[in-house]
Order: sequence, then structure tokens, then C-alpha cells
Amino acid sequence: GAGVSQSPSNKVTEKGKDVELRCDPISGHTALYWYRQSLGQGLEFLIYFQGNSAPDKSGLPSDRFSAERTGGSVSTLTIQRTQQEDSAVYLCASSLHFGRVQNEQYFGPGTRLTVT
Amino acid sequence: EDQVTQSPEALRLQEGESSSLNCSYTVSGLRGLFWYRQDPGKGPEFLFTLYSAGEEKEKERLKATLTKKESFLHITAPKPEDSATYLCAVQPQGSGGYQKVTFGTGTKLQVIP
Repeated sequence: GAGVSQSPSNKVTEKGKDVELRCDPISGHTALYWYRQSLGQGLEFLIYFQGNSAPDKSGLPSDRFSAERTGGSVSTLTIQRTQQEDSAVYLCASSLHFGRVQNEQYFGPGTRLTVT
Repeated sequence: EDQVTQSPEALRLQEGESSSLNCSYTVSGLRGLFWYRQDPGKGPEFLFTLYSAGEEKEKERLKATLTKKESFLHITAPKPEDSATYLCAVQPQGSGGYQKVTFGTGTKLQVIP
């Protein structure tokens, strides 16, 4: 079946511009995650959505970052007034459901963001 | 704070030369430890979940083991297609809410024909 898809695959933007990154999770997966991966760094958790519950936004690095998930499916990560330090690969993942035992996360291919 | 340390950072093997990758972790009670494979330009691909010390899981040339402080990913007779970065991640125990998964920085494996 179809996996997690993300768009665009690459995005180059000028410092100060806003960008939107999109994630389409696997159909039926109620949990959705956004991560950031910088060169030589581990995956940095950004935000988590589960069903209709309030998202866990504790990983968002600043108030320039926001995310929403519409209809419990597609998610958009928005970065306002981009800075050069925002350059990274942004990864989205989904999992079947959140329960007592963590289910494995399935990742999309990522969006490579370059801020010039 | 949960920590995951992977070693070595990079490993170069000849085809057929078996070896092990290490993942050391500190967590306030382990709910699960995960291994992922990541190819260049792609997202991580799930390999294994381990839940308790002594548990082992195998997939083709890979075997993952778990103790109370570390996990090993053993690679037997590797092939060039096993070349990738291998990521380890842990999720702590906790009540309510989302217990964040913490990732290591990975071991970059290169298998030479």
C-alpha cells in the first residue's frame, strides 16, 4: 500500500519568507509526528498528533513553527519568517495508534529545506 | 533526560565480514527500543522493536539484542546493499500522554564488495 508521502521534496527559500510543508500519512494511522534532522544530528522531535486529542507541541523550537492536522489525516508544518538555522530535512511519520505499547513509526522521504 | 549513544559513528566492512553496532541508552524505564535503517535521501525504515532485556529479533542478516543498558545490532556476512545509516531510538515508560521517542545519531555502515 501507499506509504507516508511528503511535499515538496526540496524547498529553497529566502530568509524571512514563510514555508509550508505537507505530510500525507498512511491511511488509517491515527498518530502523526514531525521531526527535524540536521546534518550529523539525531532526529529532533517537533510535534505529535493523536486522533482528536490536543497535539503535543513541546518540541517546536520557537513560535515561528506551527502545525495543524485537518480531518485527522493530512498535516501541514508551517515555518514563519524562516532563518538560516531552519535549514534541515523535515521528516513526517505516522503510526497505527498510540497505546500502552508504542507502535513503530513509518517515515516519509522528508522535505529538504534550504534557507538562503 | 533520556539519552541514546550509538557507536561507532562510522564502520567500514568488507563483504562477508560480520560485526556489531552498539546502542547505549539511559531512560527512566524502557517501554521500547527501536532500530531503523536510513538510506541517503530517504526517511528511516523500521527494522525492529525490542521491549525487554534478553529479547532478540532477527531479519535476514540482522539480529538485534537488548540488555538493560544497551542494544546491539549484529550483522552477519554483510552485503553491499546493507550499506546505510542505522538508527537506534528509545521510548520511556510513562503514564498518560505521549512519551517522546529519543533517537541516536546513528552508525553509518559501508560494506565494500
